[in-house]
Amino acid sequence: DTAVSQTPKYLVTQMGNDKSIKCEQNLGHDTMYWYKQDSKKFLKIMFSYNNKELIINETVPNRFSPKSPDKAHLNLHINSLELGDSAVYFCASSPGSYNEQFFGPGTRLTVL
Amino acid sequence: QQQVKQSPQSLIVQKGGIPIINCAYENTAFDYFPWYQQFPGKGPALLIAIRPDVSEKKEGRFTISFNKSAKQFSLHIMDSQPGDSATYFCAARGGSNYKLTFGKGTLLTVNP
Repeated sequence: DTAVSQTPKYLVTQMGNDKSIKCEQNLGHDTMYWYKQDSKKFLKIMFSYNNKELIINETVPNRFSPKSPDKAHLNLHINSLELGDSAVYFCASSPGSYNEQFFGPGTRLTVL
Repeated sequence: QQQVKQSPQSLIVQKGGIPIINCAYENTAFDYFPWYQQFPGKGPALLIAIRPDVSEKKEGRFTISFNKSAKQFSLHIMDSQPGDSATYFCAARGGSNYKLTFGKGTLLTVNP
């Protein structure tokens, strides 16, 4: 199926751990994004990459580091996890940064 | 600073009713206003979008009304169905990096 996919779907971990979330899109899009949706469902952009180049870097703690090995993948690595990092993280992609964004199914991160 | 204000936070209607969700924005540089629909456990999906040179756009049972002078736009769902029960997000795009700024969402429940 053509889609934006994320792994894992659920991630439960202890405070202080380091974890990664992977995102892949097979839509041939040039631009990929990471969003955070908090417990109140507020969606906020974290990062955006266009052709592997970082173009949006919102005010996000530097414990969060995106990595784009190629334009079909955008992974999110989080160091020293904190309770406040608990949220649903969505990956999205678009043909270009000007176009409609297609969202993945989300990764629910729970930090204990 | 919330650049896109969405109301109401939640809305309950009977089947066949016409729920209306409103959004207001501040930044006159916004040039594209999409609405996203999100079902529980899924990622947001684009429902309908409008550009500021148009006052109304209709796609099926979904209509966006746009008032540029008031900096407001709204989503109307005609003949609402229980399957329309979801969280709806308005958004606005603007700036050199085409960032999407989301409203806080409206949880719509359509009772049978």
